[in-house]
Amino acid sequence: SAVISQKPSRDICQRGTSLTIQCQVDSQVTMMFWYRQQPGQSLTLIATANQGSEATYESGFVIDKFPISRPNLTFSTLTVSNMSPEDSSIYLCSAGTSGSYEQYFGPGTRLTVT
Amino acid sequence: RKEVEQDPGPFNVPEGATVAFNCTYSNSASQSFFWYRQDCRKEPKLLMSVYSSGNEDGRFTAQLNRASQYISLLIRDSKLSDSATYLCVVNQDGQNFVFGPGTRLSVLP
Repeated sequence: SAVISQKPSRDICQRGTSLTIQCQVDSQVTMMFWYRQQPGQSLTLIATANQGSEATYESGFVIDKFPISRPNLTFSTLTVSNMSPEDSSIYLCSAGTSGSYEQYFGPGTRLTVT
Repeated sequence: RKEVEQDPGPFNVPEGATVAFNCTYSNSASQSFFWYRQDCRKEPKLLMSVYSSGNEDGRFTAQLNRASQYISLLIRDSKLSDSATYLCVVNQDGQNFVFGPGTRLSVLP
C-alpha cells in the first residue's frame, strides 16, 4: 500500500479565487487520480494525473477549471480555478499501481467557497 | 441506468448479525472490482478486491457474478466498528474507476 498526504487539509476561499491542492505519495506509483466528493454523495473522478503529460479528464471536467500537474511519480497538484460556491466539496487524491489497480486515498481537502 | 448501483440502505443491524450488500454494474467490459469502506468524514479505505472465484477475509466474503454483472459483500458477526459506508468500485483496464453511491451500515449495540 501507499501512504498519501494532502495539503491543505481544509480551506475557506472567496469566490473568484483559485486554490492549489498538493498530493504527495511515499513511494513511486503508476497511477494518480483526483476525485471530488460532495456532501452526502459518492466519489466522482475528476481526472487521471499523467506523469509528464496532460491529465485525462472525465466528462464534465475541463483543464481550464481544474488544471493538474504531475511532474514526477510521487507528486501531483490540482488547482480549482475561479471558484464558486458550487465548488465546495472534498477533493481527494488517490494513487495506485498498474496490475492490481487497487487505490489508496489521501485524507482529502475540505474546500468551502464563500 | 447508472454505471454502478448499490442497495440504497441504510442498513441498521444488531451486533452479531450477518448482513449482505449488493452491487450491480452496467459495463460488461469491467475487469476489476473492489469494496471500499468510508467512515464519516474520512477517506475511503480499501476493504478487499473481488476476484472471480470469490474471496474471503476473516468475517468478510466478496462474490462476483460476471454473467449477471453483480458483486456482493457479506459481513458475518457484525461489530460496532463495522459501521461505515461501503462503496462498490468497478474499473476497466486501470482507467475509468467508477464508484457506486455507497450503502450505509449502522451496527447497533
